Amino acid sequence: NAGVTQTPKFRILKIGQSMTLQCTQDMNHNYMYWYRQDPGMGLKLIYYSVGAGITDKGEVPNGYNVSRSTTEDFPLRLELAAPSQTSVYFCASSYSSISQANYGYTFGSGTRLTVV
Amino acid sequence: DQQVKQNSPSLSVQEGRISILNCDYTNSMFDYFLWYKKYPAEGPTFLISISSIKDKNEDGRFTVFLNKSAKHLSLHIVPSQPGDSAVYFCAASATDDKIIFGKGTRLHILP
Repeated sequence: NAGVTQTPKFRILKIGQSMTLQCTQDMNHNYMYWYRQDPGMGLKLIYYSVGAGITDKGEVPNGYNVSRSTTEDFPLRLELAAPSQTSVYFCASSYSSISQANYGYTFGSGTRLTVV
Repeated sequence: DQQVKQNSPSLSVQEGRISILNCDYTNSMFDYFLWYKKYPAEGPTFLISISSIKDKNEDGRFTVFLNKSAKHLSLHIVPSQPGDSAVYFCAASATDDKIIFGKGTRLHILP
């Protein structure tokens, strides 16, 4: 069982470039999330989705976009990369709000992004 | 404003002893709480949770205690093992809402 798969694992971008961070889950989870983790700052929510076709902003959405065309995929788009977006990005999923109360989210292994 | 606070950035504990990680929260609407463990270069993994209607939940070496009146929870690991060295995130949520994470505490288990 693959769980939550994120690609790429590492990426270096130049300022102003764009890229898409991929996230796929094979657990038929309805809810999906994108977090970023800065050193010593915990996990901050960027965007989330409660189902295909539905997305909403989290705590730090500026500079990012998402889409959710299928249950499995939840890509995160950076349009104009800035040094402030240097971070580790985690995708997560859960089946429902009830299941996440007992089992939390399932996280991917992360994408380490550096913008220079 | 931080709703979930882990005030100790790091903690060192001798192998075999008890590790106690603390967490405070400010939102009285939170009704369940979780602990996650994270190794370097990996995503966080769920460890244990507790509902606000309980004051204790146990799973093997891991026990979470909840003091609602103090808005405080703690994770006890007994006995501590080398593989427990990791970053531990405290997290909380209200029903049907998103999970809010603390900044994490790095636990070092000393030989």
